Amino acid sequence: DADVTQTPRNRITKTGKRIMLECSQTKGHDRMYWYRQDPGLGLRLIYYSFDVKDINKGEISDGYSVSRQAQAKFSLSLESAIPNQTALYFCATSDLSQGRHTQYFGPGTRLTVL
Amino acid sequence: ELKVEQNPLFLSMQEGKNYTIYCNYSTTSDRLYWYRQDPGKSLESLFVLLSNGAVKQEGRLMASLDTKARLSTLHITAAVHDLSATYFCAVGAGGTSYGKLTFGQGTILTVHP
Repeated sequence: DADVTQTPRNRITKTGKRIMLECSQTKGHDRMYWYRQDPGLGLRLIYYSFDVKDINKGEISDGYSVSRQAQAKFSLSLESAIPNQTALYFCATSDLSQGRHTQYFGPGTRLTVL
Repeated sequence: ELKVEQNPLFLSMQEGKNYTIYCNYSTTSDRLYWYRQDPGKSLESLFVLLSNGAVKQEGRLMASLDTKARLSTLHITAAVHDLSATYFCAVGAGGTSYGKLTFGQGTILTVHP
């Protein structure tokens, strides 16, 4: 089984709809991240969480919100989706206790907003 | 604000040739990561470079880090088709944001016969 899972894997929605993307991990890591990927722009950080009570905005948080329900679960919400939020979304995890602090990525969610 | 720039953004290579991808970053960091992404797939960690002068090698790929120049390179030796992918460098933040990564734009590598 994958260590970092994301649901749904693909989603098509309409402008103005609320949508939630979910991320779960079995790696036991304390830190979780949400990114979006757009062609030519690399990955940009939306929100990150260093533990259940710690939520921080990334560089492009406008229009998004998150919830860290447990150490293993981190959800991303689009309150009112708009077409320019069409992108590939990745969840990632890392562990402060590991010196290398590598981030491990989920399989991604492809979101299309019509 | 940390900025990370890769070049080239597109790289078309012939099999058997050598080439280098460059990653420049704007502020001091002690951690530099290289990731690979196959089309439609997630990101896979290739290398973690943690000190000035660090060099890591895996197969036909070799990564190095010069923290004084704020530069990392990913060198490809005798390219083969299986290396076709998008390669990202990412730089680690320090201080209270330790753990955050800032990614470069990615280099799309295509290896032709």
